[in-house]
Amino acid sequence: QSALTQPRSVSGSPGQSVTISCTGTSSDVGGYNYVSWYRQHPGKAPKLMLYDVSKRPSGVPDRFSGSKSGNTASLTISGLQAEDEADYYCCSYAATVVFGGGTKLTVL
Amino acid sequence: QLQLQESGPGLVKPLETLSLTCTVSGGSISSRSYYWGWIRQPPGKGLEWIGSIYYSGGTYYKSSLKSRVTISVDTSKNQFSLKMSSVTAADTAVYYCAAASSGYSLRAFDIWGQGTMVTVSS
Repeated sequence: QSALTQPRSVSGSPGQSVTISCTGTSSDVGGYNYVSWYRQHPGKAPKLMLYDVSKRPSGVPDRFSGSKSGNTASLTISGLQAEDEADYYCCSYAATVVFGGGTKLTVL
Repeated sequence: QLQLQESGPGLVKPLETLSLTCTVSGGSISSRSYYWGWIRQPPGKGLEWIGSIYYSGGTYYKSSLKSRVTISVDTSKNQFSLKMSSVTAADTAVYYCAAASSGYSLRAFDIWGQGTMVTVSS
């Protein structure tokens, strides 16, 4: 149950797109389509942004998209906005659950 | 609309047992529509799943914490709880309770409590 691997930080300018990767193993990310992504602003609880790799909960804009190839999942945010600056965590939910280490997104 | 609220001591002494409760409102703890979980976040660090409990009563725990953790449900109070024994400073964290709904495949935590800070210190 090692943490999934994410880049420590990414950045982009308003209007641009950024992609955050999440690498696991065939026992978690690669073995199941139960990858979810969470956004967390400082001092706040995490918010679900994507589930089942690429599905968006109601209320999440279509600027957020997800994909998976092999043992790596990705979150892409297009049309960056100031409010997107936050920490992002991926998660694999099989029988047990494992989170990624988190990625700090800075909007320049 | 389901809501979760954590409660419990904010300060626990080393080697004692941490006990937290999550009160569920807007839905039943016995519903087959939800799985329940505990997640924590040490100061300045990432999220760490502690364990989950299902409507069947089945529990799953992070392997490195399994020997110290118990998650249980109290249907009479519509609550689920976390007990962690023999705590150390490394257990200092914000503790979140969360729910995974059937509307989201029961495999993503779509509802979170606000979190409660627990400090382990003498």
